[in-house]
Amino acid sequence: ETAVFQTPNYHVTQVGNEVSFNCKQTLGHDTMYWYKQDSKKLLKIMFSYNNKQLIVNETVPRRFSPQSSDKAHLNLRIKSVEPEDSAVYLCASLRGPGNTLYFGEGSRLIVV
Amino acid sequence: AQKVTQTQTSISVVEKTTVTMDCVYETRDSSYFLFWYKQTASGEIVFLIRQDSYKKENATVGHYSLNFQKPKSSIGLIITATQIEDSAVYFCAMRESDSAGNKLTFGIGTRVLVRP
Repeated sequence: ETAVFQTPNYHVTQVGNEVSFNCKQTLGHDTMYWYKQDSKKLLKIMFSYNNKQLIVNETVPRRFSPQSSDKAHLNLRIKSVEPEDSAVYLCASLRGPGNTLYFGEGSRLIVV
Repeated sequence: AQKVTQTQTSISVVEKTTVTMDCVYETRDSSYFLFWYKQTASGEIVFLIRQDSYKKENATVGHYSLNFQKPKSSIGLIITATQIEDSAVYFCAMRESDSAGNKLTFGIGTRVLVRP
C-alpha cells in the first residue's frame, strides 16, 4: 500500500521553465529525501530533511531547491530546467537509522 | 565515504531456479545497515530484506536470503524458486549508523530476467 505520494507522476517541459514536484508521506516519519534516478537507473541522493530541517544537501545545482512545510511534506523546485535534469525524481521517507526507506512512485521529468 | 558496488549488470534465469546477485561495499564505520530493494517495471521501489552489520546470522525473508560475508564486505542476495514476477532491477544499499541524515547509498542495480 502506497504511503508516500508524489505529484505529478509525469511532466514534460521546455528548457528554462520552472518545475515543482510535491511529496507527502502518511507514515509519520521524521526524515524525508529526494533521490534522482537517471536513465542508467543510478539512484543518487539529492536532499535529506529531518523534521523540516535540511540535513543533507548533496552536490546539486543551485537551481534545485527543496521546500518543507512540515515533516510530512517535502517538495522539490527546479528553477530553470536543463536537459540533463530529465530523470525520475523519487521521494522517500524514513522513521529512523535502522529502518527501511519507503519510496514514492516517482515523478518523471522530461526536458525538451 | 560510502560506496556500494554491484558488478553484475544483468542476469537471466529460468523460472523456478535460484539466482544469486553480488554486492560489495566500502565503509569505515563499524556499525552499518545493508538493504536490498527491488524496482519493478512500473518504477515502484520496494524493500526486500536487510542485514544489520552486528548480526552474524544471514537474514531470510520468504524466498529471499542474504549471504553476508563481513570480512569480504560482501552482501549477496539469493532468490530461490524464482517466478516470472521476480523480473526486476535489484538494488543493494548501505547506511552507516552515524550517517548524517541517515543517508542510504545505492549500487547501480542488477537487472534480473526470469524466463519461462
